[in-house]
Amino acid sequence: DGGITQSPKYLFRKEGQNVTLSCEQNLNHDAMYWYRQDPGQGLRLIYYSQIVNDFQKGDIAEGYSVSREKKESFPLTVTSAQKNPTAFYLCASSRGQANTEAFFGQGTRLTVV
Amino acid sequence: KQEVTQIPAALSVPEGENLVLNCSFTDSAIYNLQWFRQDPGKGLTSLLLIQSSQREQTSGRLNASLDKSSGRSTLYIAASQPGDSATYLCAVEGGSYIPTFGRGTSLIVHP
Repeated sequence: DGGITQSPKYLFRKEGQNVTLSCEQNLNHDAMYWYRQDPGQGLRLIYYSQIVNDFQKGDIAEGYSVSREKKESFPLTVTSAQKNPTAFYLCASSRGQANTEAFFGQGTRLTVV
Repeated sequence: KQEVTQIPAALSVPEGENLVLNCSFTDSAIYNLQWFRQDPGKGLTSLLLIQSSQREQTSGRLNASLDKSSGRSTLYIAASQPGDSATYLCAVEGGSYIPTFGRGTSLIVHP
């Protein structure tokens, strides 16, 4: 089955810890995105990558880091510098061209304990 | 910077009603507009994609229209059912090919 897989589904982080969220796609898409969703806030862009080995900051990149070493994978690290990391994180991919659909994973819910 | 607004923020209707959800955007230079459905605690499921050159798209009981010049789209849901209860989000894609989202409309259809 083609699609996007995010793992884990639930993640708990202690204060001061870095955690990494996984996002893998087998759609052969060039572009991948990370969004953060908070209640009543909609989706806000954290980072995006339009090609392997390249990525750009989105609107709320502070406290986050990413890598894009393989076309299929775009992991997101939530660092200890992110002061309010509790949220629902969504990964998406697309062909990165005009008039193509974006597809989403099932999300990772991160909670600080 | 593109801004996307969805009205209403929440909607509660009895089963069988026809519904209209609204989406507006500030920059009309878009490639496409996409409507998504999100169930609680889940990811987004694509419903319809309207290219900038198109006026509408239909899928089953769903019909989405696009008026690019006025920066508006509507999602029409015919004969609503309890299974339609979810949050509906619209996203526009502009020159950087990055989807920009509204905050969504939370829909409850009660029996």
